[in-house]
Amino acid sequence: GAGVSQSPSNKVTEKGKDVELRCDPISGHTALYWYRQSLGQGLEFLIYFQGNSAPDKSGLPSDRFSAERTGGSVSTLTIQRTQQEDSAVYLCASSLTEYEQYFGPGTRLTVT
Amino acid sequence: GNSVTQMEGPVTLSEEAFLTINCTYTATGYPSLFWYVQYPGEGLQLLLKATKADDKGSNKGFEATYRKETTSFHLEKGSVQVSDSAVYFCALAGSGGYQKVTFGIGTKLQVIP
Repeated sequence: GAGVSQSPSNKVTEKGKDVELRCDPISGHTALYWYRQSLGQGLEFLIYFQGNSAPDKSGLPSDRFSAERTGGSVSTLTIQRTQQEDSAVYLCASSLTEYEQYFGPGTRLTVT
Repeated sequence: GNSVTQMEGPVTLSEEAFLTINCTYTATGYPSLFWYVQYPGEGLQLLLKATKADDKGSNKGFEATYRKETTSFHLEKGSVQVSDSAVYFCALAGSGGYQKVTFGIGTKLQVIP
């Protein structure tokens, strides 16, 4: 079956612009997660959705970051007024159980 | 809070060598432990997991044993192949319902022919 998909695969944007990153989870997976992977660092948790609600937003680094999920499916991560330190690979994962998360290929964001 | 410490890479091995990547953790309660692998140009994949003490996770010739007494989950493989070249992440999830997964920094493995 289809895995987690993310779009775009690559995004180059100018500092100060807004960007939207999209995640399509595996059909039927109720939980959805966003992570950030920066060069030389591990995976940084950003936000978790259960259905359409986000019980854990503790990883969002600033109020420039926001995310929503609609219909218990697609999720969008929005970064406003991008900064160079936002450059990273943004990973989305979904899961049916509390243990195993399935990851998408990621979106590589470069802020110039 | 929860944390995972894994050895820094890169690790370079010859084909058929023995691999160990160390991982230790800090967590309250009884977490579940994971190894994820990221092959070049691909997304993260779950390699193996162990959900309670003394469990051994295994997959594709890799093994890791959940050692609560030493809070460790070291990854081992008896004979690595070039195709095992990837970045390996140790991770944990707390017990009881939803718990976000905490990842280590990743260890890059390069296997040379």
